Amino acid sequence: QLQQSGPGLVKPSQTLSLTCEISGDSVSSNIVAWNWIRQSPSGGLEWLGRTYYRSKWYNDYALSVKSRMTINPDTSKNQFSLQLNSVTPEDTAVYYCARVPDSSNNAFDIWGQGTMVTVSS
Amino acid sequence: SYELTQPPSVSVSPGQTAGIACSGDKLGDKYASWYQQKPGQSPVLVIYQDSKRPSGVPERFSGSNSGNTATLTISGTQAMDEADYYCQAWDSSTYVFGTGTKVTVL
Repeated sequence: QLQQSGPGLVKPSQTLSLTCEISGDSVSSNIVAWNWIRQSPSGGLEWLGRTYYRSKWYNDYALSVKSRMTINPDTSKNQFSLQLNSVTPEDTAVYYCARVPDSSNNAFDIWGQGTMVTVSS
Repeated sequence: SYELTQPPSVSVSPGQTAGIACSGDKLGDKYASWYQQKPGQSPVLVIYQDSKRPSGVPERFSGSNSGNTATLTISGTQAMDEADYYCQAWDSSTYVFGTGTKVTVL
């Protein structure tokens, strides 16, 4: 299971921070990747980035957010986090964390409950 | 950037078969996945690797992928299948989602 936490309201130009706590698996597993995805108010799904461990840690980000986004794994708490800097109203969306096991050939098999984040002053 | 296109809506009568197309350049050379999303809920994986069903997904859900089109088929559609459906693929180190299709069971 994936349990998300974080604020639902962020002011423009500030940093959006969300956490995804993992149960029943390990953030350090070498056969899965841990992802962040968002869904705009119009409904479209957009992959934002991922973190995964294969003898060392790797991060990948979507080009649209690469300059503003950081994903960090926390092995002590078995969770991973998202930080999105310099947010604008266009970052208003429902944010999801999700798992991709290697065995799925790039499918998201488990999703968090979602966090509605509104960017507004 | 890679794009996946779906029809905005599909209507189907209870007990009939619904087909949802997902179009993308040489999509058949990639693996396609499908997600079901009901209002206020997180997406749920219903098909992965073109045609495989995760544990717990009813057999009435099936998938295929060839050429430029992946298809999700719901056989014997039930009222509970009314939802939004999204296709998804991996291209150039990026996960890409389709535009989404609203399935209405009339």
